[in-house]
Amino acid sequence: GAVVSQHPSRVICKSGTSVKIECRSLDFQATTMFWYRQFPKQSLMLMATSNEGSKATYEQGVEKDKFLINHASLTLSTLTVTSAHPEDSSFYICSAFSGRAGENIQYFGAGTRLSVL
Amino acid sequence: GQSLEQPSEVTAVEGAIVQINCTYQTSGFYGLSWYQQHDGGAPTFLSYNALDGLEETGRFSSFLSRSDSYGYLLLQELQMKDSASYFCAVRGGSNYQLIWGAGTKLIIKP
Repeated sequence: GAVVSQHPSRVICKSGTSVKIECRSLDFQATTMFWYRQFPKQSLMLMATSNEGSKATYEQGVEKDKFLINHASLTLSTLTVTSAHPEDSSFYICSAFSGRAGENIQYFGAGTRLSVL
Repeated sequence: GQSLEQPSEVTAVEGAIVQINCTYQTSGFYGLSWYQQHDGGAPTFLSYNALDGLEETGRFSSFLSRSDSYGYLLLQELQMKDSASYFCAVRGGSNYQLIWGAGTKLIIKP
């Protein structure tokens, strides 16, 4: 079945550094990928929609200069948390909709747990 | 606005049947999905209903009534491993995106 690979699974970094998270669709082309953020015991919050070859669409309240999204190919989207601070510590999850005919499944990466010290 | 309502927590006994309800109010509707998420893990797809009626997949079934903007997830023969959070999500909006409910924590007792 379709698989989305997300890397790294866990990051611990110092305040002020930048962290890049990769999301790959392994056996399908994803023109659109979604980036979510989840705090403990809460639902997923959509941060942005990543579109291949064009700028990402950010949800209200999400700083586009803080969370840089690049979707350079049909199988890869990256999220870079720039100048990370402790309040950016969270669980980040990417997702892609396979878009195959007859299939309406959104596949999720395993998530990246970011801890900023 | 867009919203999905589901209970925050449900408790059931191992071997029993449990139903998790979801009502929605969204702009645009293409289908209702259910996802399971264990603590510390990412959501995994369970089911998708685009049309009214019941979809069965093993021990799990999902129901949709578009006229009532309502659906439910039915879990049968509960096992301890089913302890997790269950999210309903509507594919809708202007971006064909998933709009998520707050999740229902299912607690299973022996």
